[in-house]
Amino acid sequence: KAGVTQTPRYLIKTRGQQVTLSCSPISGHRSVSWYQQTPGQGLQFLFEYFSETQRNKGNFPGRFSGRQFSNSRSEMNVSTLELGDSALYLCASSLGLGGGGYEQYFGPGTRLTVT
Amino acid sequence: TQLLEQSPQFLSIQEGENLTVYCNSSSVFSSLQWYRQEPGEGPVLLVTVVTGGEVKKLKRLTFQFGDARKDSSLHITAAQPGDTGLYLCAGARQAGTALIFGKGTTLSVSS
Repeated sequence: KAGVTQTPRYLIKTRGQQVTLSCSPISGHRSVSWYQQTPGQGLQFLFEYFSETQRNKGNFPGRFSGRQFSNSRSEMNVSTLELGDSALYLCASSLGLGGGGYEQYFGPGTRLTVT
Repeated sequence: TQLLEQSPQFLSIQEGENLTVYCNSSSVFSSLQWYRQEPGEGPVLLVTVVTGGEVKKLKRLTFQFGDARKDSSLHITAAQPGDTGLYLCAGARQAGTALIFGKGTTLSVSS
């Protein structure tokens, strides 16, 4: 079956702009998690959605937000972009909540560059 | 403070050598996972361990979960160039909570 897809794959934005990233999970998966990956900090958890409800949230400012639709597709939004937001944003889907030992399937990521 | 500490951060070895990567914490985890990530791709799950002392083998890779469920190790026997990548450990403090990732170990195996 098709894997996790993320769009767009690459994005260049200017400081102060906002951006929306999209994630389509594997069919049948109800949990979608978002992560930010940078060379210095590694993979950091942003938030997790399950059945359209945010179930877990990482330690990121309110500029980072997300939502999940009834078909499990998810979007994350970053407002008022800062240079430090440049990163690879990864989406992962799973059958159940990520901390429950369920396998997480990652998408290829969206590479965001803020200039 | 990183909840999951991985060591070493970088490892460069020759084909055929053995290696061990460590994932340590002062906290107890209900489960721990190991992923491998290649450039331009997302991480791919290698194994999940849930029981203290558990040992799992995946071909030349051996994974062990510490008895106290605070640490884990990944041992690769006779490394091959195809093993090159970023190895990440990730743990859940309890079911239903978010996965916490270590910063990873970058492995380079040259022929």
